[in-house]
Amino acid sequence: QAGLTQPPSVSKGLRQTATLTCTGNSNNVGNQGAAWLQQHQGHPPKLLSYRNNNRPSGISERFSASRSGNTASLTITGLQPEDEADYYCSAWDSSLSALVFGTGTKVTVL
Amino acid sequence: QVQLQESGPGLVKPSQTLSLTCTVSGGSISSGSYYWSWIRQPAGKGLEWIGRIYTSGSTNYNPSLKSRVTISVDTSKNQFSLKLSSVTAADTAVYYCARAKSSTMDCWGQGTLVTVSS
Repeated sequence: QAGLTQPPSVSKGLRQTATLTCTGNSNNVGNQGAAWLQQHQGHPPKLLSYRNNNRPSGISERFSASRSGNTASLTITGLQPEDEADYYCSAWDSSLSALVFGTGTKVTVL
Repeated sequence: QVQLQESGPGLVKPSQTLSLTCTVSGGSISSGSYYWSWIRQPAGKGLEWIGRIYTSGSTNYNPSLKSRVTISVDTSKNQFSLKLSSVTAADTAVYYCARAKSSTMDCWGQGTLVTVSS
């Protein structure tokens, strides 16, 4: 099953801005947009945003999402130590009738 | 607040069937337009979607697992279940259940480790 492509890692300094990307195709990201999930080691994933830039209640405004064509992006502003985690995108693939996940990006806060 | 909890054997022998149950508390599994999903994650690797079931009973499965997967729902017990047949060591993973609105998984269980080994 084809997945969504994410860079393996991103490293930024404290209080800096990190932008993560998620590349798919017109059947998934380009069609219905992407959701973003954060996963800390040993914990289940947590939803950060959905349908490109809708945040569940309780999610910091430091997390913002967008989409351009077949690529979705998650921007984390004012990086904090607690933002160190793995980040996954996900999208429904209309040609597969299945959900696909991104390969995941590990964010390190220096 | 809805909570999900996975349960089932932590050890399954090769070629046997893995069976897990997800119990939903804090809300009815039948209320709202939700899909109830299974996802897995091998140690040190990424997330893999297994499939989902709607409260009507309709299902979608990962094409790569479809021949071995069955997801069912028991509304009387507020549970949904996963069966994965003919398991191998490659099926060793943490298995999560989750609630989804459309394709957005907004509520996850804590996960349960299933090891396939003789």
